[in-house]
Amino acid sequence: GAVVSQHPSWVICKSGTSVKIECRSLDFQATTMFWYRQFPKQSLMLMATSNEGSKATYEQGVEKDKFLINHASLTLSTLTVTSAHPEDSSFYICSARVHRDYEQYFGPGTRLTVT
Amino acid sequence: KQEVTQIPAALSVPEGENLVLNCSFTDSAIYNLQWFRQDPGKGLTSLLLIQSSQREQTSGRLNASLDKSSGRSTLYIAASQPGDSATYLCAVEVLKLTFGKGTLLTVNP
Repeated sequence: GAVVSQHPSWVICKSGTSVKIECRSLDFQATTMFWYRQFPKQSLMLMATSNEGSKATYEQGVEKDKFLINHASLTLSTLTVTSAHPEDSSFYICSARVHRDYEQYFGPGTRLTVT
Repeated sequence: KQEVTQIPAALSVPEGENLVLNCSFTDSAIYNLQWFRQDPGKGLTSLLLIQSSQREQTSGRLNASLDKSSGRSTLYIAASQPGDSATYLCAVEVLKLTFGKGTLLTVNP
């Protein structure tokens, strides 16, 4: 089956620093990748959608200057949390798919803790 | 705005029991519906994808149905096992995936 990886799986950083999270589709080319955020005991909320070679489309309320998304290739997307603050602490999950007629495959998630 | 509701929020059953998880959505003009499984602290595992033109999908002990007109989907799990214990999420896609809050399933040995 299709595999999506994320790196790192968990990260602790100090307030004010930036953190980069990588999302890779390992055995397929993903034309579209998605970034979600999940709070404890809550469901996933879509942050942004990115297509390879294009600028990401951010959901309402998501700061594009704070959450920088780059989809440089068909197998790699990165999310950079800039000037992180404690309220950015969360579980970040990416997903990828080949085409809208196919399912999204999700990565294992990255636990971010900002101290 | 699409809203997805999952009932019950939590369910505890003895091993071997057949069970049904429910999902309802407010906007019936969906492109597809997916059921996922999430283990604690982990990402999502896709279980079943139902396109809007389909009425059900089956995979092993899992069967998912879709009734677009009534805005409902059910996930049927046959002969439940302790390894089925997880949170089950329903998500519908219009322009994006909208998730329910999930059903926390515990299967007791």
